[in-house]
Amino acid sequence: SQTIHQWPATLVQPVGSPLSLECTVEGTSNPNLYWYRQAAGRGLQLLFYSVGIGQISSEVPQNLSASRPQDRQFILSSKKLLLSDSGFYLCAWSVSVSYEQYFGPGTRLTVT
Amino acid sequence: AQKVTQAQTEISVVEKEDVTLDCVYETRDTTYYLFWYKQPPSGELVFLIRRNSFDEQNEISGRYSWNFQKSTSSFNFTITASQVVDSAVYFCALSSHSWGKFQFGAGTQVVVTP
Repeated sequence: SQTIHQWPATLVQPVGSPLSLECTVEGTSNPNLYWYRQAAGRGLQLLFYSVGIGQISSEVPQNLSASRPQDRQFILSSKKLLLSDSGFYLCAWSVSVSYEQYFGPGTRLTVT
Repeated sequence: AQKVTQAQTEISVVEKEDVTLDCVYETRDTTYYLFWYKQPPSGELVFLIRRNSFDEQNEISGRYSWNFQKSTSSFNFTITASQVVDSAVYFCALSSHSWGKFQFGAGTQVVVTP
């Protein structure tokens, strides 16, 4: 069966510090991968998605970036965090847009 | 462009009452896919159901049921005999090949009190 892992579960970082969140998927090949952010409130904001290694589409211009160094690994990064980067970050995978996404447990990021 | 509207921000019910969550979508695609997710207080989104645009059959799974109506571009979700464990945020989502990604609604918070 397929599983998706995210770490860390929680993170408190000062403004201006770097960020690296990792997501890995097991049990499937060539998944579509997604990074979402959920700020205070409930909306899910799509940040990045990837349909293959090295293929990243950015949805929102900001100080975040994403990389997919391996087929089942998706990394969200920032060189300098802003207060507005605080939120709940969710990674998800799907076989394709025709099929459901499966979400990881999320990372709660607080920028102080 | 694709759009998903969940007009109900929050619904509060007493246990055992039925609750219906509305989802209205917009798309120009003839082939598309609709989803419902549940987000309990723990935060992880849980997939509930997927529907493609050619399958208008309603579906029932235990206390959950879904009503898909292409004529009104709606994909509504009903929880029958609600329980406290149903308290969560519920999201409706839409995808299509031409769009290449998923569009989520704003979510509806369901609060079930004993």
